[in-house]
Amino acid sequence: GAVVSQHPSRVICKSGTSVKIECRSLDFQATTMFWYRQFPKKSLMLMATSNEGSKATYEQGVEKDKFLINHASLTLSTLTVTSAHPEDSSFYICSARGASGRIDNEQFFGPGTRLTVL
Amino acid sequence: GQNIDQPTEMTATEGAIVQINCTYQTSGFNGLFWYQQHAGEAPTFLSYNVLDGLEEKGRFSSFLSRSKGYSYLLLKELQMKDSASYLCAVSGAGSYQLTFGKGTKLSVIP
Repeated sequence: GAVVSQHPSRVICKSGTSVKIECRSLDFQATTMFWYRQFPKKSLMLMATSNEGSKATYEQGVEKDKFLINHASLTLSTLTVTSAHPEDSSFYICSARGASGRIDNEQFFGPGTRLTVL
Repeated sequence: GQNIDQPTEMTATEGAIVQINCTYQTSGFNGLFWYQQHAGEAPTFLSYNVLDGLEEKGRFSSFLSRSKGYSYLLLKELQMKDSASYLCAVSGAGSYQLTFGKGTKLSVIP
């Protein structure tokens, strides 16, 4: 149990286009979902926290108009990178927290999405 | 604020024991996680400590001292497949957010 999927796993796009990444909790309801970004050889940096049905809370320095997050249901959150630029190329990982966690604040991670902006 | 420190890289021999340390300074504390991450993949859960002491799970053990802001992950009987990055992450008080350290890249050599 507690499986989180992400789609797509890899995406290459042209500069200026928008890319949508989906994060789904497959066998549990995720009350909270988190979006992280990881640059090569760096650790995970939290971008935003989203609760179902409410606006996401963005970390300092993360542009909410550039990284649009929608958490419309208890099993789906989406991250849209708008007007992507080469510096947005990174590994984006989502995680989900739900009532089925063995530990109350445990997060279950998706497999990540590798975004390359040309 | 949150500050988490762990060594950048470590090398150990197959079959040996290795200890990866993590020190943290956080505003409040609600548990410490250790994750394993292979290159290009998502982190996978290894252990969780919220009380002082040692948690053992097979070849992996994790220790916590809240008064010292210190934890370690102990890996026994190292295998080549244990080569990965090991991330220390702390959950702050009243928060479900995790703050990650920069990770320790472990290389297991024959």
